[in-house]
Amino acid sequence: AQKITQTQPGMFVQEKEAVTLDCTYDTSDPSYGLFWYKQPSSGEMIFLIYQGSYDQQNATEGRYSLNFQKARKSANLVISASQLGDSAMYFCAMSRDNDMRFGAGTRLTVKP
Amino acid sequence: DGGITQSPKYLFRKEGQNVTLSCEQNLNHDAMYWYRQDPGQGLRLIYYSQIVNDFQKGDIAEGYSVSREKKESFPLTVTSAQKNPTAFYLCASSIGQRRTRNGYTFGSGTRLTVV
Repeated sequence: AQKITQTQPGMFVQEKEAVTLDCTYDTSDPSYGLFWYKQPSSGEMIFLIYQGSYDQQNATEGRYSLNFQKARKSANLVISASQLGDSAMYFCAMSRDNDMRFGAGTRLTVKP
Repeated sequence: DGGITQSPKYLFRKEGQNVTLSCEQNLNHDAMYWYRQDPGQGLRLIYYSQIVNDFQKGDIAEGYSVSREKKESFPLTVTSAQKNPTAFYLCASSIGQRRTRNGYTFGSGTRLTVV
């Protein structure tokens, strides 16, 4: 069974600084995908970034990058130059075929 | 604009009643999903469908039922057998039956409250 663990219930970061949100996962499948989503207070889920298990390079999308350490089964999200609008819940998710499972989430608060 | 529409946004149900949550997409996506989110928690998979007239149970399917008669629609019925239905329900879709780098597209959710 897939298991995704986010150990940080809440994180604070100063505006314009970088922050790392942790995610570890557990699967015996060699092929899988890792995703990060942002959920603002309005409730919608916004897709941020994807990392495939066979991808050789860490994924990047603008200010978001994924620190993928396959041997450690970790897929941490790094947000650079934090903005006040980054305050939200962040969820790590994993998909083997086409059935995505989510972690419990981390609430990020960006302080001015 | 293409997207997923969930309705209603807020829903109140009396104990013992069945209610149906609507999910419609115009993205021409093959696969659709229903998730439940409780306060301060992540999303849990209820049901998913990879093709019309076919669907599979997720991790917490008890007390729920779905149908997939049309590609665009994947309604979720919360039955009276669901002991604690108060939650935020999210519908999602993805382009194909296999994993995609683009992730899922989500609707804006339905907040169900039992009164």
